[in-house]
Amino acid sequence: AQSVTQLDSHVSVSEGTPVLLRCNYSSSYSPSLFWYVQHPNKGLQLLLKYTSAATLVKGINGFEAEFKKSETSFHLTKPSAHMSDAAEYFCVVSDSGYSTLTFGKGTMLLVSP
Amino acid sequence: KAGVTQTPRYLIKTRGQQVTLSCSPISGHRSVSWYQQTPGQGLQFLFEYFSETQRNKGNFPGRFSGRQFSNSRSEMNVSTLELGDSALYLCASSRDSTNEKLFFGSGTQLSVL
Repeated sequence: AQSVTQLDSHVSVSEGTPVLLRCNYSSSYSPSLFWYVQHPNKGLQLLLKYTSAATLVKGINGFEAEFKKSETSFHLTKPSAHMSDAAEYFCVVSDSGYSTLTFGKGTMLLVSP
Repeated sequence: KAGVTQTPRYLIKTRGQQVTLSCSPISGHRSVSWYQQTPGQGLQFLFEYFSETQRNKGNFPGRFSGRQFSNSRSEMNVSTLELGDSALYLCASSRDSTNEKLFFGSGTQLSVL
């Protein structure tokens, strides 16, 4: 069985400061991991994915995530937040066949001017 | 290139009724997945279709069903609606059976009164 825990339901940052969204996972297999973003009244969009290549994964809009097997973590970071980053972020784990994706509960990122 | 299209965008039904939601995937995509999103439970996997065959099913009662047509368009049906079925229903398509990258629609917001 696989599961995902997003450690914060809400994260507040000021524009221009770093962003850290935390995610821990559990999987019986070598997992594939994803981060998706959902802006208000929109569907989800893939930010980045880890599929057992490089442990540091770069995504769109300046986001990146690091896969740490020893800590079973896949935290999402961005050096400098922008107002347009305000959205809900979902960490997702999948087994090797991608047949079933398990989503975390989501982290709402609030960005203040 | 058109994205994933879900219709209708909003729906209001009463308990006991049934409802059918529609999803048109991106042209050329053969896999369609359905998810239920609620504030309490987050995103939960309903089922996935690939080339008209249901490949996986989530842990939902038999009142929830779906199908996929030869043109890859998909429908999901919920019979005997309950208040707890109120949710945002999201459809996602993928080019192939790997589901390595999902493209989501904006969803159908279902309210059951």
